[in-house]
Amino acid sequence: KAGVTQTPRYLIKTRGQQVTLSCSPISGHRSVSWYQQTPGQGLQFLFEYFSETQRNKGNFPGRFSGRQFSNSRSEMNVSTLELGDSALYLCASSLVSGTNKFFGPGTRLTVL
Amino acid sequence: DAKTTQPNSMESNEEEPVHLPCNHSTISGTDYIHWYRQLPSQGPEYVIHGLTSNVNNRMASLAIAEDRKSSTLILHRATLRDAAVYYCILQTRNSGGSNYKLTFGKGTLLTVNP
Repeated sequence: KAGVTQTPRYLIKTRGQQVTLSCSPISGHRSVSWYQQTPGQGLQFLFEYFSETQRNKGNFPGRFSGRQFSNSRSEMNVSTLELGDSALYLCASSLVSGTNKFFGPGTRLTVL
Repeated sequence: DAKTTQPNSMESNEEEPVHLPCNHSTISGTDYIHWYRQLPSQGPEYVIHGLTSNVNNRMASLAIAEDRKSSTLILHRATLRDAAVYYCILQTRNSGGSNYKLTFGKGTLLTVNP
């Protein structure tokens, strides 16, 4: 069974731009959650989607948004990028919310 | 959010047991205790989880204190491939009761010496 895939793996953007990251969950998994990882703050929860609905949200500004499609694939969008948004963005999928999660390799975003 | 406290780092020798402690004194009755680990340049990997009773799987054992305010992840025989950051996490249920999120702490960096 294929694991969680994230695209792109690496991305370089400049301040003020916007970015869209994609996550394809493991087949059959309906829950997708997103995390931001930085050296200073560690792993922080962004949001979780289940059946195309956002079920949980972390403490991030409205510039961070996401969505989930009917095939469970998910995207997250960051608008008006700031230098501090440079991070590894991780996506995780699970059968349903509450079961153990499988993480993808992440997308490394660098904001210049 | 319920928080966990772990040592920043620990060291072990190959083929010896490792006991990774975690304190979670504010745990609520419905919080599950999860352990994930993150190897260098990879996303986190699920290790084990439990609620009240001790748990065993092929990767590790989880010992949960009777009052649930602390737990210990046990790697029975550490290998070099076990060198990673280990996260002890409380899985909290949201107010609706049907959805959960993981709140990661800083984790413990485990070094395994050959």
